[in-house]
Amino acid sequence: QKEVEQNSGPLSVPEGAIASLNCTYSDRVSQSFFWYRQYSGKSPELIMSIYSNGDKEDGRFTAQLNKASQYVSLLIRDSQPSDSATYLCAVEAQKLVFGQGTRLTINP
Amino acid sequence: EAEVAQSPRYKITEKSQAVAFWCDPISGHATLYWYRQILGQGPELLVQFQDESVVDDSQLPKDRFSAERLKGVDSTLKIQPAELGDSAMYLCASSTSFSGNTIYFGEGSWLTVV
Repeated sequence: QKEVEQNSGPLSVPEGAIASLNCTYSDRVSQSFFWYRQYSGKSPELIMSIYSNGDKEDGRFTAQLNKASQYVSLLIRDSQPSDSATYLCAVEAQKLVFGQGTRLTINP
Repeated sequence: EAEVAQSPRYKITEKSQAVAFWCDPISGHATLYWYRQILGQGPELLVQFQDESVVDDSQLPKDRFSAERLKGVDSTLKIQPAELGDSAMYLCASSTSFSGNTIYFGEGSWLTVV
C-alpha cells in the first residue's frame, strides 16, 4: 500500500463547476497535510495546509481533513481554466510524503 | 520575495558521466531537502538536512548519489555515474524547521541522461 494515494486522473471539470480532489494516507500518526499545485514543467507551489479535522477555506479553495478515515480532500469552487494543473497531496509524519498527483483540466 | 535558487536549470549528460546540482535555500531556513520527480509521479524525498546534518537519506541511492551541505547553507547533489533511469527533475526545497512548516521549492533542475 502506498503511503499517500490520490484519486486517479485525469479529472476534467467544466469552467465554473466544483472540482473535487481526494487523498488517503496510511500513517495514522501523520500530523500535517498539504496541497500543492504544479503547472506543467514547473515546481510545486503550496496552496493549502491543514492540521486539524474539519474544513479550512481560503478563497475558492477548501481543504477537508478526516483523521479517523485518514482522508484529506481539496475542493475548488468556481473552477477557472487557470486551475488546470496537477495537484499533489502531501502528508507529514516523520517526513513529507507526496502522492502521485491528480491532473485537473478545466474546460471553458 | 525570497526564493530557493537552483542551478543548472537544465542538464543533458551521457550515461556514466558525473553530474552535480547546486541549491541555495531561503536565508535562515535550517532544513533543506532534495527531491526527485520522475515525469508523471509525485516528488520523492532523496535527502533531508537539518543545518549541516543529514536527517533522512533512506531513499538516496548511495552507490551513485551523494549530497552535502558543508556549512549548513547551500547544498550540492552529485550523481556519479549517471544512468538512464536518473532522468528526472531534481527539486531542492527549504523550510524553517523540519516539522509542520511550509516547504518552499526551487524551480528545479531537469536532468536528461542519454
